[in-house]
Amino acid sequence: QVQLQESGPGLVKPPETLSLTCSVSGVSITSYYWSWIRQPPGKGLEWIGYIYYSGDTNYNPSLKSRVTISVDTSKSQFSLRLTSVTAADTAVYYCVGGRLRRYFDYWGQGTLVTVSS
Amino acid sequence: QSGLTQPASVSGSPGQSITISCTGTSSDFGSYNYVSWYQQHPGKAPKLMIYDVINRPSGVSSRFSGSKSGNTASLTISGLHAEDEADYYCSSYTSGSTPVVFGGGTKLTVL
Repeated sequence: QVQLQESGPGLVKPPETLSLTCSVSGVSITSYYWSWIRQPPGKGLEWIGYIYYSGDTNYNPSLKSRVTISVDTSKSQFSLRLTSVTAADTAVYYCVGGRLRRYFDYWGQGTLVTVSS
Repeated sequence: QSGLTQPASVSGSPGQSITISCTGTSSDFGSYNYVSWYQQHPGKAPKLMIYDVINRPSGVSSRFSGSKSGNTASLTISGLHAEDEADYYCSSYTSGSTPVVFGGGTKLTVL
C-alpha cells in the first residue's frame, strides 16, 4: 500500500522559506514521478513541480524562480523549498506520486501551511 | 496555456447521469490525450478517477467515464450516488512551458 506523508512547519513568516518533506512508503521511490501540488483555502489545485529519482525536475513557470524540489533516495523522501513566501502562498500542500508524469496516482493527506507574520 | 475551464457547479438526482466539461485551447491539450480527472471530498485529498482521457484506475467504479472531442474533455457519471457529491478537477499534460494545468473545479451536488 503506497503511503505519502508530508511534514514541516505549519506557519511560515514572510519573506522566509517554506520547507516541506514527503516520506514515501509502500513503493520504491525510483519507480514514480514525485510532485508537489497546492490548494489555497477554498480554491483549486495548482501544480508546483515534479522530480524523478534521477534528479530530473520540471517546475511551474509561475513559481520556478522560487522553487526547488529535491529527492533523497536513501531515505525515500522528497522535499519542497519555496523561497520569499507571501500570504498568497498560504495553501494546503500535497505531495503526490505518479507512475507517469501526466497523472497523479497517490496523494498525501496534505498539510496546511499558513504564511503570516 | 491559460488553464482549463470547468463549470462551477452541476447537479443531478440519484440515479441520473451528469457530465462535467473541461474546455481548453489547443495549447492546453496539445496533440496528446493526456487528460485526467480527480474527485475531492471536503477536507480530503483528491483521488484519481480517470487518466489518459478514458482509462479508469483499478477500484474506480465503471459509472465514471471520460471522453474528449477537440478541445473539450468530459467526465460522465452515470447512476448518481449520494457519495458522488464532491468537487471534480480536470487536468491536462503537454510538453509545453507549463506541463500540468488544472481546471478550476466543479462542485457536484446530488439532490
